[in-house]
Amino acid sequence: QVQLVQSGAEVKKPGASVKVSCKASEYTFTDYYMHWVRQAPGQGLEWMGWINPNSGDTKSSQNFQGRVTMTRDTSISTAYMELSSLKSDDTAVYYCARGPPKTRKIAVAGHPIDPWGQGTLVTVSS
Amino acid sequence: QSALTQPASVSGSPGQSITISCTGTSSDVGGYTYVSWYQQHPGKAPKLMIYDVTNRPSGVSSRFSGSKSGNTASLTISGLQAEDEADYYCSSYTTTSTLVFGGGTELTVL
Repeated sequence: QVQLVQSGAEVKKPGASVKVSCKASEYTFTDYYMHWVRQAPGQGLEWMGWINPNSGDTKSSQNFQGRVTMTRDTSISTAYMELSSLKSDDTAVYYCARGPPKTRKIAVAGHPIDPWGQGTLVTVSS
Repeated sequence: QSALTQPASVSGSPGQSITISCTGTSSDVGGYTYVSWYQQHPGKAPKLMIYDVTNRPSGVSSRFSGSKSGNTASLTISGLQAEDEADYYCSSYTTTSTLVFGGGTELTVL
């Protein structure tokens, strides 16, 4: 079945950057959008953005004010999310999750998100 | 974009029905039929339960149903079971082409 396997936990200092990977399997990676969502400890879900692995187009939440960069390497079916200028409140579990087929042209973020990766804990601490 | 409003917690006894509300604005919930619901057990990734307000993905129990009226969407779980105890999140597409989640609701099965 469709699987998204993410990279391992990270510990970073304030001001640093972190790059999380998400390897897709059992489907054609470039055929579906990929979302990134995070969850701070004991808190709710927060949408970060999506990437179209086929074109490389991205859309991100204004909440991250240009700190987030989403990329992909189609040769290894892997999506990446890099968050820069880390602060303590960026401590969270970061999830990748599959979005709609690449043929969807409207309301990309409105399409159901399924499945999700297992999550990657990023801890920001001095 | 502010988070959608959900009750912090709801509870019910086995066999009963419960409803979780998700209130937004005309710029999100009220403006589109792109409302989804996710179930999350402790330490696990979220799981899609309802999409496009009322649709259930294959494999999700028919005990789960969704609806919407105006700016408020709702998730109803009938015939509560112990395994339904989890956190539930709604989400909605917005006028800025982004996605917003609710704050989450903790369901306790008494």
